[in-house]
Amino acid sequence: EVQLVQSRAEVKKPGESLKISCKTSGYSFTNYWIAWVRQMPGKGLEWMGGIYPGDSDTTYSPSFQGLVTISADKSTSTAYLQWSRLKASDTAIYYCARRGSTWYIEDWGKGTTVTVSS
Amino acid sequence: DIQMTQSPSSVSASVGDRVIITCRASQDISNWLAWYQQKPGRAPRLLIYAASTLQSGAPSRFSGSGSGTDFTLTISSLQPEDFATYYCQHTNTFPPRFTFGPGTKVDIK
Repeated sequence: EVQLVQSRAEVKKPGESLKISCKTSGYSFTNYWIAWVRQMPGKGLEWMGGIYPGDSDTTYSPSFQGLVTISADKSTSTAYLQWSRLKASDTAIYYCARRGSTWYIEDWGKGTTVTVSS
Repeated sequence: DIQMTQSPSSVSASVGDRVIITCRASQDISNWLAWYQQKPGRAPRLLIYAASTLQSGAPSRFSGSGSGTDFTLTISSLQPEDFATYYCQHTNTFPPRFTFGPGTKVDIK
């Protein structure tokens, strides 16, 4: 069974850094793209970017390029999303998700809620 | 960049109703389209991919059609568990990029 287990909710202050995680199991981590998707309060889904853990190839939405960094650790089958300086507008739920053999996102984590407030 | 639009933005329906949601791409995307269902407080769930292929485990009352720029998701007979928000999504092959539509909320009439 494919599982994507995301790190716990975070409450941070503007300007702080943050790295959230997505630990996977049940499939070959290095062979499938992992995507990160943002959902702001009461809003829709936004693709942020993704990574192919096999060679660490990354791709970002132009809306998020330079604002976040996506990485992966093959030794622990874990993907990461990080910010160097959070803003209040980063308050959202962040989902990690796996692109499956259908070429579409087939499996999702439960989401990590990030709250940025002074 | 390809933009996705959906209509209506919300629909009120009753159990047993047939519900149709449309999605339009800003340019020809062939059949590179999926539909997801999201319930409050839950992660999205893949229902349909390649415009018309039912994902394993998705109920057969869901069907998708279309190609090019215009697509539809049909729920043949709405069930209580179907009240949710539905998103269309375009993907390309490489590098993978995903573009979501704004969503259509289906609620109880």
